[in-house]
Amino acid sequence: EVLLVESGGGLVQPGGSLRLSCAASGFTFVDHAVSWVRQAPGKGLEWVSAISGSGGTTYYRDSVRGRFTISRDQSKKIVYLQMNNLRVEDTALYYCAKDRLPMTRGIDYWGQGTLVTVSS
Amino acid sequence: DIVMTQSPLSLSVTPGEPASISCRSSQSLLQSDSGYNFLDWYLQKPGQSPRVLIYLGSNRASGVPDRFSGSGSGTDFTLKISRVEAEDVGVYYCMQALHTPYTFGQGTKLEIK
Repeated sequence: EVLLVESGGGLVQPGGSLRLSCAASGFTFVDHAVSWVRQAPGKGLEWVSAISGSGGTTYYRDSVRGRFTISRDQSKKIVYLQMNNLRVEDTALYYCAKDRLPMTRGIDYWGQGTLVTVSS
Repeated sequence: DIVMTQSPLSLSVTPGEPASISCRSSQSLLQSDSGYNFLDWYLQKPGQSPRVLIYLGSNRASGVPDRFSGSGSGTDFTLKISRVEAEDVGVYYCMQALHTPYTFGQGTKLEIK
């Protein structure tokens, strides 16, 4: 069974930092890219970032590039999202999602999400 | 970025009746060398994470009832539910996965009459 368990969310002030973690199990970790997708309260889905199965290629949406960094630890089967200089508009439920392939070609499983609240 | 446009944004359907959701992209999602359309459909039930229904435009995901079907190519896609059931309530999203950033439609909220 594929499992994706996010952690690390919380309340942070604007300009602050958080590191999200996504612990994966139930599939061959290196064979799949992993994405982070967020959902602001009452809003739709917004893709944030992805990392290839090898970890050699990373992708970001423009609004987070330079502030967020995605990485993966192949031995621990964990994907991280380091979020710096957080803004109020980053407030959302952040989902970790498994891509079908080693490169970014679509999502087939989602975690339960971790809530990030940016507020003073 | 590829813009995804869904319609309608809300649907109210009587159980047993069909339902259809349209999704249009601002550029073709057909990858010429593979022949695949990189368009997925997801359902987010109330209080839950999204779940994939259809991938690559028309392939039903594992465990998805056969009353769900996806069709289309290029820029125009459709999700059809042949006979809506009460458990189908939620928000349906299309998503393009041809290029990053992945982009989603606005979502279509399905409710039962």
